[in-house]
Amino acid sequence: GDSVTQTEGQVTVSESKSLIINCTYSATSIGYPNLFWYVRYPGEGLQLLLKVITAGQKGSSRGFEATYNKEATSFHLQKASVQESDSAVYYCALSETNSNNRIFFGDGTQLVVKP
Amino acid sequence: EAAVTQSPRNKVTVTGGNVTLSCRQTNSHNYMYWYRQDTGHGLRLIHYSYGAGNLQIGDVPDGYKATRTTQEDFFLLLELASPSQTSLYFCASSERQNTLYFGEGSRLIVV
Repeated sequence: GDSVTQTEGQVTVSESKSLIINCTYSATSIGYPNLFWYVRYPGEGLQLLLKVITAGQKGSSRGFEATYNKEATSFHLQKASVQESDSAVYYCALSETNSNNRIFFGDGTQLVVKP
Repeated sequence: EAAVTQSPRNKVTVTGGNVTLSCRQTNSHNYMYWYRQDTGHGLRLIHYSYGAGNLQIGDVPDGYKATRTTQEDFFLLLELASPSQTSLYFCASSERQNTLYFGEGSRLIVV
């Protein structure tokens, strides 16, 4: 079945340093799934950070970027220079291009940015 | 802007108790979802619905019932709560394959 894998449960980065959070996926449908990054700030619900629906394209938002790599089945999240306010839990997610509208989430990666 | 409202935000109940979590969306979305979020497990889908009166089973449905009474309202029912159901519950709405809009979460503790 479909699945999303985030290998790091927590990532700690010093402020102004670069960040990468890994995400790989497995999709069973013949078409290309839609890929998402959601973020949950402390005390809040999840919200969409960025979304890419076409293989090979890059999504970006708030200084974060992720490229839809169909060959590697990856959708890693990157930022060149993190801020303390980026501390949050980041979830990679996938939705299939079929009729049941299911959305599959990774386990989430807690980002801690040290001042 | 899209809005999903959950209530209660916090709830403590005893083992065997009866709990109802409520969710209302004002987005005119057809799809609504209930997830639970636990450390080390990410978000797990309990039930979802694609319209009033419809219910689909998710990945972890045991011990939960759900009902979609209107397009706006989706309820999660725990009729015999157990400590294993202590969790953070999120409701969300969406249109087909599009962005999920989440509520702020309902924290349930079963003692």
